[in-house]
Amino acid sequence: NAGVTQTPKFRVLKTGQSMTLLCAQDMNHEYMYWYRQDPGMGLRLIHYSVGEGTTAKGEVPDGYNVSRLKKQNFLLGLESAAPSQTSVYFCASSRGLALSYEQYFGPGTRLTVT
Amino acid sequence: GENVEQHPSTLSVQEGDSAVIKCTYSDSASNYFPWYKQELGKGPQLIIDIRSNVGEKKDQRIAVTLNKTAKHFSLHITETQPEDSAVYFCAASEYSTLTFGKGTMLLVSP
Repeated sequence: NAGVTQTPKFRVLKTGQSMTLLCAQDMNHEYMYWYRQDPGMGLRLIHYSVGEGTTAKGEVPDGYNVSRLKKQNFLLGLESAAPSQTSVYFCASSRGLALSYEQYFGPGTRLTVT
Repeated sequence: GENVEQHPSTLSVQEGDSAVIKCTYSDSASNYFPWYKQELGKGPQLIIDIRSNVGEKKDQRIAVTLNKTAKHFSLHITETQPEDSAVYFCAASEYSTLTFGKGTMLLVSP
């Protein structure tokens, strides 16, 4: 099993450009999450999904959109990138509720917006 | 919402020493407290967790303690080794999501 994979690993965008980050998991997990990690800020939840076709906002959702059309995939979109979105983005998945099940993280995508 | 404070932000120890990382949380409804380890260039990985009905849990060289009254929990690593060097995150959960602390960079010198 590959676990949680993220595409791409690195990306440089110019301000105003758009892009989509792809997360895929092969563990048949119901829950999927998108976090951003900034120096000194820890991991902050952007959006999450509790099942195929559902999404919900996390702590820092502004400027991002997500979609969960297939159970195994969770997409994070930036419609108009801003320098403040320069960060490392992590996807995670779990069998169920955060209070009951371990979250498995992908290797991350380093995004730079110039 | 939940707020998790983590201290210290950086911790340097000699190999063989013990290391302690402390976290406090704000929401008394939180009842699950995991600890994640993140090695350089990788995603975080769960190393130990504790639930609100337990005061202490051990797994070989690592242990976690929880004081629900004071709303704080701690990670203890004994006999530290260079491979323990990493960033450690505490987190708290009431239901469907985790709120993470800002992380502690642990440096273990040989």
